[in-house]
Amino acid sequence: QSVLTQPPSASGTPGQRVTISCSGSSSNIATNHVHWYQHLPGTAPRLLIYRNNERPSGVPDRFSGSKSGTSASLAISGLRSEDESDFYCAAWDNSLSDVWVFGGGTKLTVL
Amino acid sequence: QVQLQESGPGLVKPSQTLSLTCTVSGVSISNGNYYWSWIRQPAGKGLEWIGRMFPSGSANYNPSLKSRVTMSVDSSNNQFSLKLSSVTAADTAVYYCASSNTGMGAPLDYWGQGTLVTVSS
Repeated sequence: QSVLTQPPSASGTPGQRVTISCSGSSSNIATNHVHWYQHLPGTAPRLLIYRNNERPSGVPDRFSGSKSGTSASLAISGLRSEDESDFYCAAWDNSLSDVWVFGGGTKLTVL
Repeated sequence: QVQLQESGPGLVKPSQTLSLTCTVSGVSISNGNYYWSWIRQPAGKGLEWIGRMFPSGSANYNPSLKSRVTMSVDSSNNQFSLKLSSVTAADTAVYYCASSNTGMGAPLDYWGQGTLVTVSS
């Protein structure tokens, strides 16, 4: 059971806009930055969004992030077939002990 | 750019100690601006943070694994390592190493591609 809650799957057709949610609590998302990763099995997870809504260099502006209260979202516009992968949210958690916590991952299918 | 590569045995017997090494390139592991973390992912499950090394050489571990985890740094080889003792089948997972800047709110920004460790007799 992951500390952050994501839908297990999402889908869209090429060109569409898709959003993936990430729900947490007062000890993680509400008080710390949210980061998003794109992951293809067998490869290194790729940082997609950091500090809620910032993009590392090289990440297209089709990807955007937002945060409000104890929830965050990743939006992908102009969906492409190469976007088909797993997406994870992450945040620092200050509850009992300082730890990184993650969502369970959302598998995005491009129909 | 920071690059990380995990290495170690792919098969460990129950009750034994799992040992993995992460080789870092692109930056000195002694650079005081980085933390060095281990994360794992059992098949079909989410990511679990195991712990991290500080520039000072100290570490903090996930309380769920703290009693079995030891991390260390080998500056001469630009590597850091993970030891997990008394393993069981529940420790079977893909293990990743990752880096993060010491700045406030910095993400785990660079990751290795992961190495599968299976616990089985």
